[in-house]
Amino acid sequence: DTAVSQTPKYLVTQMGNDKSIKCEQNLGHDTMYWYKQDSKKFLKIMFSYNNKELIINETVPNRFSPKSPDKAHLNLHINSLELGDSAVYFCASSQPGTSSYEQYFGPGTRLTVT
Amino acid sequence: DQQVKQNSPSLSVQEGRISILNCDYTNSMFDYFLWYKKYPAEGPTFLISISSIKDKNEDGRFTVFLNKSAKHLSLHIVPSQPGDSAVYFCAASLTGNTGKLIFGQGTTLQVKP
Repeated sequence: DTAVSQTPKYLVTQMGNDKSIKCEQNLGHDTMYWYKQDSKKFLKIMFSYNNKELIINETVPNRFSPKSPDKAHLNLHINSLELGDSAVYFCASSQPGTSSYEQYFGPGTRLTVT
Repeated sequence: DQQVKQNSPSLSVQEGRISILNCDYTNSMFDYFLWYKKYPAEGPTFLISISSIKDKNEDGRFTVFLNKSAKHLSLHIVPSQPGDSAVYFCAASLTGNTGKLIFGQGTTLQVKP
């Protein structure tokens, strides 16, 4: 039973297109995140939502828009895709107030923009 | 500005020996440190963490050491097993637990049978 799931796992699309990545967690956590892992393998936070409210919004182009319909889901919509958007995108969740600060990650979505 | 650095991109050790993975940080406002393990085509999985008020935390074969004065932490795996072969990420959290984790670039560990 997958704790944090993402769809699709792979996404190949052309420049200029609009695409969405979906994320769902069944852990009952209040907080969800989107991370981007670029070609240099750096894993960087993009957004964080706590109970459907935007908490963290790093310096990310406006073409990226997260949407949280409920606290178990955090989707990522990307407009006008560019070559530089090619990366692996990870969704994660956590429960605020836990002592270990642990976040649970999904399997990732590999986005390739051609 | 990379606040968390893992200067060794890769490490190879023999099965049964100790693996030591290192991590340096620059921000003294970090109050919690975590290690994650990642297999190919999977998401990172939590391994072990340590609060900045401690200098050691142990969980089975995994021990994390924190040297605040040197702004350095290390993960020791004893004994190393082939299944430990993965990418290990060091991460740090800022005071206040905003949830924002800052990751190092990872170290690929290969444990040879």
